[in-house]
Amino acid sequence: AQSVTQPDIHITVSEGASLELRCNYSYGATPYLFWYVQSPGQGLQLLLKYFSGDTLVQGIKGFEAEFKRSQSSFNLRKPSVHWSDAAEYFCAVGSNDYKLSFGAGTTVTVRA
Amino acid sequence: DAEITQSPRHKITETGRQVTLACHQTWNHNNMFWYRQDLGHGLRLIHYSYGVQDTNKGEVSDGYSVSRSNTEDLPLTLESAASSQTSVYFCASSEAVNYGYTFGSGTRLTVV
Repeated sequence: AQSVTQPDIHITVSEGASLELRCNYSYGATPYLFWYVQSPGQGLQLLLKYFSGDTLVQGIKGFEAEFKRSQSSFNLRKPSVHWSDAAEYFCAVGSNDYKLSFGAGTTVTVRA
Repeated sequence: DAEITQSPRHKITETGRQVTLACHQTWNHNNMFWYRQDLGHGLRLIHYSYGVQDTNKGEVSDGYSVSRSNTEDLPLTLESAASSQTSVYFCASSEAVNYGYTFGSGTRLTVV
C-alpha cells in the first residue's frame, strides 16, 4: 500500500523568502504524485502533479516540485512567497486503482 | 462550467441519528471518493466508487455507507452518528489517476 510522510507540521516563513515543503512517499511502482493547497474553510486545489517525464514540474501560483526517485521524495518549492500563500499543503501519492493517499499536511504561516 | 458540489456546508446532528451528506458532480467522472479530514491525519479514504452500482470500502469505512445509482451522485450516509465522526468531509471525483482529483468544498459535520 502507498503512503506519504510530510515531516513538517508547521512552517513559518517571511514574505519574500523562499519556501520548501518536504514530502516522502512509499510506493512499489512508479508513483503518481500530487501537491494540493487548502486555504482556510476551502476545498483542496491541485497545485501540480507528476507521473512521468521531466522530474522538475511547474505548477500554478509559481510553485514547482522535483521528483527524486532515489530519495522517494517530491518536495515543493517556491522562490518568493506571498502573504496569500499562507495555507495548508498536502502531498499525495496515487496508484493505478485511482486512489490517492494523502500526507498529514504542512501548515504554512507567512509573516510580514 | 462543470463542478462538484457538496451539501450541506455545515451540519449539527445528535448522537445516534442517521445523517446523509450529498455529493453531486457534473464532470461526468466515473470515479468518486469520500474522505474525512481530521487534524494530524490529513485526509483518510472512507468509501469510493468506480461507476454506477459500484461501491468499495476505504481505510475508515466503519459506520459509513454509500450508494451509486447514477454517475453524478455519491451520497455518504452515517448509519448512527457518533461523536468520533465529527469531522470535515470531502467528496472528490476523477477521470483518471494521472489527472488527480477535483474536490468539493467540504461539509463540516458536528455530532453532539
